[in-house]
Order: sequence, then structure tokens, then C-alpha cells
Amino acid sequence: EPEVTQTPSHQVTQMGQEVILRCVPISNHLYFYWYRQILGQKVEFLVSFYNNEISEKSEIFDDQFSVERPDGSNFTLKIRSTKLEDSAMYFCASTTGYYEQYFGPGTRLTVT
Amino acid sequence: TQLLEQSPQFLSIQEGENLTVYCNSSSVFSSLQWYRQEPGEGPVLLVTVVTGGEVKKLKRLTFQFGDARKDSSLHITAAQPGDTGLYLCAGALEYGNKLVFGAGTILRVKS
Repeated sequence: EPEVTQTPSHQVTQMGQEVILRCVPISNHLYFYWYRQILGQKVEFLVSFYNNEISEKSEIFDDQFSVERPDGSNFTLKIRSTKLEDSAMYFCASTTGYYEQYFGPGTRLTVT
Repeated sequence: TQLLEQSPQFLSIQEGENLTVYCNSSSVFSSLQWYRQEPGEGPVLLVTVVTGGEVKKLKRLTFQFGDARKDSSLHITAAQPGDTGLYLCAGALEYGNKLVFGAGTILRVKS
């Protein structure tokens, strides 16, 4: 069964460093998302991406964040200069555009 | 801000008991999804409901979408220890739209 994959599973970085989180969405899906979950808190929407452009972004998704679909399969989230409060689980999700969103296993980002 | 209020936050029951988890909002959703999440893993989709009044069954799990599409419930019959986990509801306002998540219900089923 097709699934969303994410790499790395765990990333440790120092404050101020750039990180790139990678996702491979399900192949026939058209809408792509990034969400994050700070330990013990709700899953929060960051950004949605459709037709090679951002369709919606949350207040969290400031100038330090960017997304890219560099080829036909990968979908990346870049954080330019990480802060301690960026430590969280980051989930990629994809959908055909109808209803069901399928989530990847997540990347645990730890900023020290 | 669209909010999904999920209750209860925590539920501890004996094997064989029934339980219901609720998800409520003042917003109307085009669809509502229920997920199960294990510690350190991503949410796994259980079901999607899209029509007001819709009822879906997945073995011992019954999902209902309210007539006005503002609320939903998850009912588990004869709970088993394997049902232990975090259950999340999440709603989308439109097709392809972001999901708004509830805070989750931690279910513990004791044998």
C-alpha cells in the first residue's frame, strides 16, 4: 500500500543552523502539507502546497520557513535559522484533494 | 480560529467495556477524519466522514458525523487492550484544505 515517507527520522541541530526535512508524498497525490506537533500539544498546520505553489500558510510559517518540490517526488521543508522553539515532530501529509490526508511517520527535530 | 473540542482527554477502562469519544465545533466541516497515533509516530487514518448524519463502521469502531457537520463521535464496542492509544479527530473546511486537529483522547484499556 502506498505511503508517505519522511527523512530523516530524527535530526539534531544547533540553534541558528539550517535544516531541510524531506518527504516523499504518495505518487498520485496533488496536495501536500506540513504539520508540526510540539511534545504534548496538538498537531498544528504549517503550510499547504498545490500546483507548485503555497496555497495556504499559518502564522507559524514565517520567513524562516520555506517549502519546495524540487522534482516530481520530493517535498521539502527548510528552516533557515532554527530556534529552540522549533523543536517538534514535523509531519508531511498528502491527499488527492478530496478528503483523506495521509501522514508520514514524522521527523523529530531537536534544536540545542 | 476554528476549534475542535475533543472529549474526554483521557479515558481508562476495563477490557470489554464500551466507550465514546466526542469531537465538537462551532464550525461546519466538509469532512472530518479520525486518526490514531502511537507515541513517536505519525497519525494513521482510521476513517473519513463527509455527509451529515453519516455513520461508518470499522469492526468494533463506529464513527458518526453530526447532521449539521459540526460534530462527530467515535464509539468503541467491547474495547480490547490493543485499542490503547491516542485518538485524534481532525476537520477540513474545504476540499484540499488544511486539517484542524482536536487535542486528542488518550485511551487506556486494561486487561
